[in-house]
Amino acid sequence: DAGVIQSPRHEVTEMGQEVTLRCKPISGHDYLFWYRQTMMRGLELLIYFNNNVPIDDSGMPEDRFSAKMPNASFSTLKIQPSEPRDSAVYFCASSKTRGAGGSNEQFFGPGTRLTVL
Amino acid sequence: GENVEQHPSTLSVQEGDSAVIKCTYSDSASNYFPWYKQELGKRPQLIIDIRSNVGEKKDQRIAVTLNKTAKHFSLHITETQPEDSAVYFCAASRGSGSARQLTFGSGTQLTVLP
Repeated sequence: DAGVIQSPRHEVTEMGQEVTLRCKPISGHDYLFWYRQTMMRGLELLIYFNNNVPIDDSGMPEDRFSAKMPNASFSTLKIQPSEPRDSAVYFCASSKTRGAGGSNEQFFGPGTRLTVL
Repeated sequence: GENVEQHPSTLSVQEGDSAVIKCTYSDSASNYFPWYKQELGKRPQLIIDIRSNVGEKKDQRIAVTLNKTAKHFSLHITETQPEDSAVYFCAASRGSGSARQLTFGSGTQLTVLP
């Protein structure tokens, strides 16, 4: 398995532009998480999905952020309009419902480094 | 909601010495405590986790202890090696069975000096 796949790996854009980050979870995983990592705020959960349905989006900073999961193998995180304070590394992670004796491990993707000028 | 405090923020040890990182949590209902390691420029990866029905868990040079009464848990790395240098994050969550919504600590930058 290729693991969690994210694209692009790096994104540089100008303030006010729309940014779309993409994620493909590990096949068979039914949970998908979007995190943001900055030096100031650490690793923050933005939103997570179970079976493609958003469960908790309380971490989404504001209305400029939106996330979708149209099917089990694809999710997007969109920022419109982007601002310099959105600059961060955005990680997608996936996991599988734990069976007896199983693991709750979240597998992280390589991240997207976003820079908003 | 849950709040996780992690200390120290930076830690330097000599190769071969032990390293200890401590975390406290606020939600007494939390019952799952994973530790992630993040090397520079890489993704966080799970190194060990513990559930609240266990007080200690060990995996080779890594061990985690949990004190539910005091609401704190610790990561212990023995015989440290240069490749242990990384940022370590603790996390806490509540729930059962299904995947968990994690609250992360602020991270500890561990440097192992050769």
